[in-house]
Amino acid sequence: GAVVSQHPSRVICKSGTSVKIECRSLDFQATTMFWYRQFPKQSLMLMATSNEGSKATYEQGVEKDKFLINHASLTLSTLTVTSAHPEDSSFYICSAHNTVAGEETQYFGPGTRLLVL
Amino acid sequence: AQSVTQLGSHVSVSEGALVLLRCNYSSSVPPYLFWYVQYPNQGLQLLLKYTSAATLVKGINGFEAEFKKSETSFHLTKPSAHMSDAAEYFCAVSAFTGNQFYFGTGTSLTVIP
Repeated sequence: GAVVSQHPSRVICKSGTSVKIECRSLDFQATTMFWYRQFPKQSLMLMATSNEGSKATYEQGVEKDKFLINHASLTLSTLTVTSAHPEDSSFYICSAHNTVAGEETQYFGPGTRLLVL
Repeated sequence: AQSVTQLGSHVSVSEGALVLLRCNYSSSVPPYLFWYVQYPNQGLQLLLKYTSAATLVKGINGFEAEFKKSETSFHLTKPSAHMSDAAEYFCAVSAFTGNQFYFGTGTSLTVIP
């Protein structure tokens, strides 16, 4: 089946630094990718919708200048957490929509655990 | 607008007993419904999905779910729990498979030996 990867799987950074998380669809093209955030023992909350070649659409309450999303190609979307703070520590999960005819479905990446010290 | 409610944040069953995890949805359009499982420190694994075909959906690991429009429910069941089923389970709804998902708050399943 289709695979979505995320890199890195875990990252620890100092407060004030920026962290880039990559989401790749390995064997299909994804015009749309989604970024979710999951706090410990909570559900996934949609942060933004990433569309290839256009600006991301952010959910209410998500700071677009803090969470920069770039969807430069049909297989790669990146989420950059700028000037990270401890409250940004979370599990970030992306998903990619496979639009191949007969297999329209969405695949989730394995997640990236971010810890900001 | 779409949303999902999972009743029971924690469910405990004995090994070999029936597993029933409840999910009710709200959707202004015909919904697509999903169940995902998440093991500790891992991503989401799709168990099964309903996309307007058969109302009884069979998934992996012996799980199945039935879409009941009259009850706006999509409960997940498994006839006999196994120790390896212990995990967090999420129900999700979307307008179609390419749209954003709205997740429930999750149900933590504990299997007692």
